[in-house]
Formats: sequence, C-alpha cells, structure tokens
Amino acid sequence: DAGVIQSPRHEVTEMGQEVTLRCKPISGHDYLFWYRQTMMRGLELLIYFNNNVPIDDSGMPEDRFSAKMPNASFSTLKIQPSEPRDSAVYFCASSSRGREYFGPGTRLTVT
Amino acid sequence: DQQVKQNSPSLSVQEGRISILNCDYTNSMFDYFLWYKKYPAEGPTFLISISSIKDKNEDGRFTVFLNKSAKHLSLHIVPSQPGDSAVYFCAAMKGSQGNLIFGKGTKLSVKP
Repeated sequence: DAGVIQSPRHEVTEMGQEVTLRCKPISGHDYLFWYRQTMMRGLELLIYFNNNVPIDDSGMPEDRFSAKMPNASFSTLKIQPSEPRDSAVYFCASSSRGREYFGPGTRLTVT
Repeated sequence: DQQVKQNSPSLSVQEGRISILNCDYTNSMFDYFLWYKKYPAEGPTFLISISSIKDKNEDGRFTVFLNKSAKHLSLHIVPSQPGDSAVYFCAAMKGSQGNLIFGKGTKLSVKP
C-alpha cells in the first residue's frame, strides 16, 4: 500500500482565497483524521470521520473550515476564506482503530 | 485543557547515552498509549505502543514504561543514535473513542 496520500504537498495562497487540501486514506481503514501542526499548539485534531461520517469536529477552529468525506477513499479539508494565521502543516491520518498512519502533510502558507 | 502533556519541549543527549522522554496524562480512562516519531517535512510515524494492562514494552533500542498510578509514561532509547534526532509525540486513547490525543512533542537532539 502507498500509505496515506495528501495533495498538494505545498500550497501558497493569498489571504481571502479558498484552499482545498486532499487526502486518500489507506485502503480498508475506516477512520480518517485531519490534524494541524503549529509550533505553539503542536498536533491539533481538527475533525475525524468513521465510515465516512464526521464523528467529532470540535477541533475545527472556525466556520471558515469545512471537511468532507464523500467516499471511503477520499476526503477534503477546505478553508474559505483563508487567513495568514491558517499557515501551518496539515496532516491527514487513517486507521482501523488504534494506531494512526499519517500522510506526509501539506504545508500551507497564506500571505 | 491538555489531557496529554509533554513538559519538556526539547532534550539533548550524547550519542551512545540513554534518552528518556516523558509524558503525563490526566484521563484515567486512557487504556492505550503510543509514541510517534517525526522528522522534518514528514508525517509522524508510529514507534511503539503499550496497553494499560502492561507496565513495560520493549522493541529493540526502544522501551516504553507505563506507571498507571502516577499517570506517567516514558520512552527510553538506549543507546541513542544521531538518527534518533526527531520530534517525539506521546499519544493516548480510550477504548470507546476512535481518536488519539497527542502531546505537543519533545524535540530530541542526539549529538555525535
């Protein structure tokens, strides 16, 4: 298996623009997680899905953030409009409960 | 409210010596604990785990110790190698929950 795949690896955008991050989980995993990593807050869980259903989105910082999982092999995290304070590395992870497998991350820079 | 705490943001150790990374947790319902290792520009990767029914788990140079009464776990790396230089995250979960709770990480530097 190729592991968790994220795209793009790097994204630079201007404040106010819409940003969409993509994730393909490991086949057979029924949990999918979106994290944000910053120096100040470490790894923050934003939202997670179980069998494509959002279970806990309490970590989503604001209404500007939204996530979807239309099927078992794809998820998106959207930020609209983006702000400079959204600059961070965003990780997607998947699991079949317990050990989580992380993707390489998307480094987002909002100028 | 941080349920998993790694109070040392960084640790520097000489090659060949022991590295001890510490983690404290507040939720007594946690029953599974993991350590992840993260290199720059990569996602965290699983290193070692321990169930709450054990107090020690060993895998090569890596050993995790769990003290349930103190709500404390530690990762020992012996002997430390320069390639171990990375950020180490402690994580915990409870059986009824689907997600891990992560600490903020400890940056380990192993000097040759």
